[in-house]
Amino acid sequence: EAGVAQSPRYKIIEKRQSVAFWCNPISGHATLYWYQQILGQGPKLLIQFQNNGVVDDSQLPKDRFSAERLKGVDSTLKIQPAKLEDSAVYLCASSLEGRGTLKKAFFGQGTRLTVV
Amino acid sequence: SQKIEQNSEALNIQEGKTATLTCNYTNYSPAYLQWYRQDPGRGPVFLLLIRENEKEKRKERLKVTFDTTLKQSLFHITASQPADSATYLCALDNQAGTALIFGKGTTLSVSS
Repeated sequence: EAGVAQSPRYKIIEKRQSVAFWCNPISGHATLYWYQQILGQGPKLLIQFQNNGVVDDSQLPKDRFSAERLKGVDSTLKIQPAKLEDSAVYLCASSLEGRGTLKKAFFGQGTRLTVV
Repeated sequence: SQKIEQNSEALNIQEGKTATLTCNYTNYSPAYLQWYRQDPGRGPVFLLLIRENEKEKRKERLKVTFDTTLKQSLFHITASQPADSATYLCALDNQAGTALIFGKGTTLSVSS
């Protein structure tokens, strides 16, 4: 079974530039998550999709971050403009369902973003 | 607000010993709790899920307990090996039962 695919693996940008990350979840997984993981901390949820609808985006800084999930499959996360504090690993995860014990999450390898 | 605490940031043990990691949570009563393993430069990998009505769950050398009265889960690795060295994350539902919220993690180092 193919895992969660993310690209790019690494990205270095200057502050105030924009950047986009792409995620392809495991086939058949209805729920998709984007997490931000700052060095030394646990993953922090940014946004959760159920199919192509947003379930939870309460911690997404909407003035600079946006995300979409096309046709309930692939997803992109965009930052515009980037700030130094956005330097982190951005993890995409998917699960069969968004509730109950089917919420076991499968993660991609992440995109390491460095803002200079 | 909901809070998850993994008490030790780092735990160092010798090969063959049992590692015990702690996860405490406040202001919520999750129906189940999950543990993940994360290696440097990789995404977390699911290990175990335990439901609120299960006191204990085992998988090979791993054992998880879930005490809903103490609001605590313990994660044990018996006969630990250097290959068990990694960061272990505790995760549970947010109050709405939607998102999966993670603790900060405990970094385990097993020396030979």
